[in-house]
Amino acid sequence: KQEVTQIPAALSVPEGENLVLNCSFTDSAIYNLQWFRQDPGKGLTSLLLIQSSQREQTSGRLNASLDKSSGRSTLYIAASQPGDSATYLCAVETSGSRLTFGEGTQLTVNP
Amino acid sequence: GAVVSQHPSWVICKSGTSVKIECRSLDFQATTMFWYRQFPKQSLMLMATSNEGSKATYEQGVEKDKFLINHASLTLSTLTVTSAHPEDSSFYICSAASLGQNYGYTFGSGTRLTVV
Repeated sequence: KQEVTQIPAALSVPEGENLVLNCSFTDSAIYNLQWFRQDPGKGLTSLLLIQSSQREQTSGRLNASLDKSSGRSTLYIAASQPGDSATYLCAVETSGSRLTFGEGTQLTVNP
Repeated sequence: GAVVSQHPSWVICKSGTSVKIECRSLDFQATTMFWYRQFPKQSLMLMATSNEGSKATYEQGVEKDKFLINHASLTLSTLTVTSAHPEDSSFYICSAASLGQNYGYTFGSGTRLTVV
């Protein structure tokens, strides 16, 4: 059974700091890995999708890497802003089109 | 980009009544839709997967007679919580995918259900 773990569970940083969120998964037989953002009481916004054959994806200040063999992914956020405050979820897709989510990292960026 | 509309965004109902939640893919045909449940400060738990025109596949522990899922068209899926009880109060989120297109998954904005 696939298990996804995210570290840290919560993170508070001052504005402008670069930060890294971590995601690990137990079964490396994945199709892709996706990072989402969730604001309180809202749905999920897709940030980055990395296919299993890819090593990283970039979008603006966000960079996500994937090391499938070791079961790890990182989300790097450069020059953090208060508007980045949210919960960040990673999810892996495995056979049967199943998405397994981590429990998320709650990020607070202080002005 | 792909957009999924979910309604209502919140609903309060009395115990014993039924509530229907709609999930629509606005600009693409969703071959598969997924329904998740999320408790406060927890991650999403998959409840069921539905393919257009087929019966939904429910995850272990999810009562199919209580959580009725209909996916009658490529753009609409509904989740009906029947005979709701306070323990059904939760945040429900749908997701739609056009499998084989590598679009990833697009999520609705969620529905906060409170059963009183």
